[in-house]
Amino acid sequence: DQQVKQNSPSLSVQEGRISILNCDYTNSMFDYFLWYKKYPAEGPTFLISISSIKDKNEDGRFTVFLNKSAKHLSLHIVPSQPGDSAVYFCAATMNRDDKIIFGKGTRLHILP
Amino acid sequence: DTAVSQTPKYLVTQMGNDKSIKCEQNLGHDTMYWYKQDSKKFLKIMFSYNNKELIINETVPNRFSPKSPDKAHLNLHINSLELGDSAVYFCASSQSRGPSGNTIYFGEGSWLTVV
Repeated sequence: DQQVKQNSPSLSVQEGRISILNCDYTNSMFDYFLWYKKYPAEGPTFLISISSIKDKNEDGRFTVFLNKSAKHLSLHIVPSQPGDSAVYFCAATMNRDDKIIFGKGTRLHILP
Repeated sequence: DTAVSQTPKYLVTQMGNDKSIKCEQNLGHDTMYWYKQDSKKFLKIMFSYNNKELIINETVPNRFSPKSPDKAHLNLHINSLELGDSAVYFCASSQSRGPSGNTIYFGEGSWLTVV
């Protein structure tokens, strides 16, 4: 039962262009969403989050958009840089809960 | 200094053995977690402790027993290892309970292979 879905296992983007990573969720009770970034042989690191009371949150080159009616969120990275090549995990939780539900991840390749 | 450190990083062992993975965080956090990333790449929570008290036990076989001697340590002991236990196990910590507003810091992972 995948409550958080990342349907693209991988994505290749030219350096300098925009990277868009997508995520869908099924549980309408989720009210807090997170993106984590993971390099090989390292643990995931927190990137950016968004509460369900917002539809956009921006932090430098990273912006997360939330469309609650579609149960969809996306992570935009602009401009994309070589160091952005990693696996990106979308995650969701209920504000009062202790559990984070992760998607399977999308591997982003930034091409020179 | 590594914020969340876990040992060993790699472990190859035979079926039926008992093994432990240790985790320590030097962030002064109250809450620690064990996550498992299986062969299908799903990253799922197994356990969570807050101030040494178990708060999440996510339908994990009782061959898995977490132990928290103090709030800076959360060790994972696995009895009678099975082939399906092969996975990457991530330890993590956060300042307090509830992911909202609490960044979770992950360790580098422990690659367990059961042969």
